[in-house]
Amino acid sequence: AQSVAQPEDQVNVAEGNPLTVKCTYSVSGNPYLFWYVQYPNRGLQFLLKYITGDNLVKGSYGFEAEFNKSQTSFHLKKPSALVSDSALYFCAVRADGQNFVFGPGTRLSVLP
Amino acid sequence: GAVVSQHPSRVICKSGTSVKIECRSLDFQATTMFWYRQFPKKSLMLMATSNEGSKATYEQGVEKDKFLINHASLTLSTLTVTSAHPEDSSFYICSAREKAGGPSYFGAGTRLSVL
Repeated sequence: AQSVAQPEDQVNVAEGNPLTVKCTYSVSGNPYLFWYVQYPNRGLQFLLKYITGDNLVKGSYGFEAEFNKSQTSFHLKKPSALVSDSALYFCAVRADGQNFVFGPGTRLSVLP
Repeated sequence: GAVVSQHPSRVICKSGTSVKIECRSLDFQATTMFWYRQFPKKSLMLMATSNEGSKATYEQGVEKDKFLINHASLTLSTLTVTSAHPEDSSFYICSAREKAGGPSYFGAGTRLSVL
């Protein structure tokens, strides 16, 4: 069975500082990994995905994520946080022929 | 990128009434659409998967008679919440994909409030 864990409910970071939102996963077979962002009362917006290839994936709005197979992790990162990055972030995993499984979400607050 | 339109974005209804939510793929043909429910401060829960022209597959614990899903065309799926009750109040999100293994695109969501 597939599962996704986001160990932190809330992450607070000062504007301009680097941010990390953690994600670990469990899946049978090769994982397809995704990060989505959700603003209040809005649907999900795609940030980035890992399918195959380079472990470091670059996405929208300056975000990137690193796939680490040995640690089964796919942490989301950004070198310099903006107040506008404050939102709810979801990590998701999908294996071949399977549906998405979403993590519980991490609320990111970037403080000015 | 591909666009998925969800309508309405917000609906308030009285208990006992039925509410229909539409999910449309605007620039691609969606062979599969997914319906999710999101509780406050919680993750998305997959409710059902619908393939065009066939009956939806519901996840365990989701009442198929309460949440009617129709995927009559390659660009439209509807979710009807029948005889809505306050506990059905939630944020409902659809997603659509063109083919198996392809990317899924999400709608903006519908906030349902049942009084």
